[in-house]
Amino acid sequence: GAGVSQSPSNKVTEKGKDVELRCDPISGHTALYWYRQSLGQGLEFLIYFQGNSAPDKSGLPSDRFSAERTGGSVSTLTIQRTQQEDSAVYLCAGREAGNTEAFFGQGTRLTVV
Amino acid sequence: DAKTTQPPSMDCAEGRAANLPCNHSTISGNEYVYWYRQIHSQGPQYIIHGLKNNETNEMASLIITEDRKSSTLILPHATLRDTAVYYCIVGNTGNQFYFGTGTSLTVIP
Repeated sequence: GAGVSQSPSNKVTEKGKDVELRCDPISGHTALYWYRQSLGQGLEFLIYFQGNSAPDKSGLPSDRFSAERTGGSVSTLTIQRTQQEDSAVYLCAGREAGNTEAFFGQGTRLTVV
Repeated sequence: DAKTTQPPSMDCAEGRAANLPCNHSTISGNEYVYWYRQIHSQGPQYIIHGLKNNETNEMASLIITEDRKSSTLILPHATLRDTAVYYCIVGNTGNQFYFGTGTSLTVIP
């Protein structure tokens, strides 16, 4: 595709339910990043993939959060047993090898009610 | 943790140059300085990046000090559409991008 695609763009879920957020980066972008942005706050790093492996998971806030990437392309961020504090915009970015810029998607706005 | 420090907010008169500072005193030799901006409700947009030489593109100029411990992003003629949060990041290949809290720039008519 022409850019980074994230789906869904908006998700409202009940507390305690599981959600899956999807990121489809630009073809050939081997590095993939997930961030979380709460209202009025900066971007909080969650996890980074190089290919299908995740050398840095240090930003995942709890064991309810997990992510995977398959085929060096699409990535899924899963939040189990969602809590109200999980409400935020979840942003994904992809990057080619080398010192290049990262391209961001428009994010998924998650609201836990 | 973010490796950069930026002022939380700045104002700039429309048509004047906006100079946004960033401190990155712990930057490593192979780490680049990147600048992004985020306009309300949108994903961050890449502006410019550099290693040690000053850089210029159609959007902005990046001035990096000789010791690489700080840099300045310059928007030469700020417009109202440049009102955004500007993030300074250091990173390299295979490294995570840690965003700090950024500088909220308001361009005033």
